[in-house]
Amino acid sequence: NAGVTQTPKFRILKIGQSMTLQCTQDMNHNYMYWYRQDPGMGLKLIYYSVGAGITDKGEVPNGYNVSRSTTEDFPLRLELAAPSQTSVYFCASSYQTIRELFFGSGTQLSVL
Amino acid sequence: QKEVEQDPGPLSVPEGAIVSLNCTYSNSAFQYFMWYRQYSRKGPELLMYTYSSGNKEDGRFTAQVDKSSKYISLFIRDSQPSDSATYLCAIRAEKLVFGKGTKLTVNP
Repeated sequence: NAGVTQTPKFRILKIGQSMTLQCTQDMNHNYMYWYRQDPGMGLKLIYYSVGAGITDKGEVPNGYNVSRSTTEDFPLRLELAAPSQTSVYFCASSYQTIRELFFGSGTQLSVL
Repeated sequence: QKEVEQDPGPLSVPEGAIVSLNCTYSNSAFQYFMWYRQYSRKGPELLMYTYSSGNKEDGRFTAQVDKSSKYISLFIRDSQPSDSATYLCAIRAEKLVFGKGTKLTVNP
């Protein structure tokens, strides 16, 4: 049982480049989330989705975009990468909003 | 005042010690209280979940919620080196809010 799978695990971008962080889950969860985790700052919600075709902004959405065309996949797009986007990104999913979040293993992104 | 406050530590204890990890929160509407454990270079995983005041026990772990004081705790008895991780509290009302995490090291 794979759970939540994120790719890539590590990536270095130059300022202004774009990339997509991939996230897929095999638990048939409707709810999916993208968080970023900066040292000493905890987890900040970037975007979330309550089902295929439905997405909404979290706390820190600027500079990011998402789409949810299927239940399984929830990619995060970075356009025009900036050094402030250097972080560890976690995708998560849950069966309901009040239930346990299942996290992927993260993508460590550096923008230089 | 921040919604959820958690001392980031770091906290270093000898093997076998009792560990106490704490969070305070400001919003009385918070109803669901969770503790996540995060090993280095891994995603967080749920450790304990409760929605009422009082204690909930699971093996060596006890989660305690005091809604009147807006204070939650996680106790680890007989701590082991394998407990070395960052522990994040997470509290939900309309939205889920994470504490910043406390890094714990248990020394053999």
